[in-house]
Amino acid sequence: EAGVAQSPRYKIIEKRQSVAFWCNPISGHATLYWYQQILGQGPKLLIQFQNNGVVDDSQLPKDRFSAERLKGVDSTLKIQPAKLEDSAVYLCASSPGTGGTEAFFGQGTRLTVV
Amino acid sequence: AQSVTQLDSQVPVFEEAPVELRCNYSSSVSVYLFWYVQYPNQGLQLLLKYLSGSTLVKSINGFEAEFNKSQTSFHLRKPSVHISDTAEYFCAVSVKRGSTLGRLYFGRGTQLTVWP
Repeated sequence: EAGVAQSPRYKIIEKRQSVAFWCNPISGHATLYWYQQILGQGPKLLIQFQNNGVVDDSQLPKDRFSAERLKGVDSTLKIQPAKLEDSAVYLCASSPGTGGTEAFFGQGTRLTVV
Repeated sequence: AQSVTQLDSQVPVFEEAPVELRCNYSSSVSVYLFWYVQYPNQGLQLLLKYLSGSTLVKSINGFEAEFNKSQTSFHLRKPSVHISDTAEYFCAVSVKRGSTLGRLYFGRGTQLTVWP
């Protein structure tokens, strides 16, 4: 079974530029999560999707961050404009949905804002 | 709201010694409990989880954790560590959200370093 796929693995951008990350969850998984992991901290949820609907985006900085999962499969997370404090690893995870009790994580995208 | 405290940011031990990584949580409702492991430049891998039932849960590579409701703890233990166990370990809690898994609240992580 293929795992959660993320791209790119690494990205370096200048502040005020925009950036997008892509995630393809495990096939058939209805729930998709985006987490932000700042160096030295545990991951923090940015947004949770159930199929193509948003379940929880309470911690998403909506003035600069946006995410979509239009067809209920893969997802894109965008930052525009980026700030220095957005430097972090962005982790995508998926879960089967109904009855799911485990989240499966991708390898993450390491973003450096200079 | 839920929160997780990992009391030790770094735990150095010698190979074949026992180890305990401590985790306490705060929640006003019933939670699921997890330990994830993260190797350098990798994503998070589930090590073990407590959902219900027996309070002692075990992983396939010798780790175990015990859910203690009265002390709101979920400490991770291994009786004899290997160098390959060197990694960052994260404790996490989640509230069941309807019939799906809700958000995970993570601790800050504990870096386990095993020396030869």
